[in-house]
Amino acid sequence: EIVLTQSPGTLSLSPGERATLSCRASQSVSSTYLAWYQQKPGQAPRLLIYGASSRATGIPDRFSGSGSGTDFTLTISRLEPEDFAVYFCQQYGSAWTFGQGTKVEIK
Amino acid sequence: EVQLLESGGGLVQPGGSLRLSCAASGFTFSSYPMSWVRQAPGKGLEWVSAISGSGGSTYYADSVKGRFTISRDNSKNTVYLQMNSPRAEDTATYYCAKEKVVAVAGTLGFDIWGQGTMVTVSS
Repeated sequence: EIVLTQSPGTLSLSPGERATLSCRASQSVSSTYLAWYQQKPGQAPRLLIYGASSRATGIPDRFSGSGSGTDFTLTISRLEPEDFAVYFCQQYGSAWTFGQGTKVEIK
Repeated sequence: EVQLLESGGGLVQPGGSLRLSCAASGFTFSSYPMSWVRQAPGKGLEWVSAISGSGGSTYYADSVKGRFTISRDNSKNTVYLQMNSPRAEDTATYYCAKEKVVAVAGTLGFDIWGQGTMVTVSS
């Protein structure tokens, strides 16, 4: 099973700042099957990025994804108040697995 | 509007049984694989099970294999998760999710999620 490790665990930033979230896989992952989700308290996750770098429908262009192999990144160019949330990466190898999440909190 | 609505959660005793349902609307249900994903309180996400659009193929996480059964009724636009012999560690919010399918590539993620239904396994 491919294990995804996200870092940092918590990111403390101010609105307007840039957020860089990391997702590292225990073995190589096809970029096609790497996704990112946002989850706010009491809500279901929301798909942000699929195929490592493609934005899902309705996702603002301040969200971008990049990476390949074992290292992937989600970047939020300028944090808006509504972006403070938990972010998960996900991959599909022989089964879907998720990272443990990165919480982006207001500094 | 594309929507998923889960139901059937609640308190179940260890070793008992519970069936979760997820009613879909707003898309051609039979065209899409569906998954169940769970989240223990204060924890991360864990994929549980998936089923193909026709229902002919099913997949399970090792943690639930042999205890949980996924099924679907395309005439009712509903997917189910039958939970047999649940354990305390199965306590979680269970989400159903529609898989985002792209031709050739297959499933690229889960693009529609329900609001979740809470399952508590306790005596």
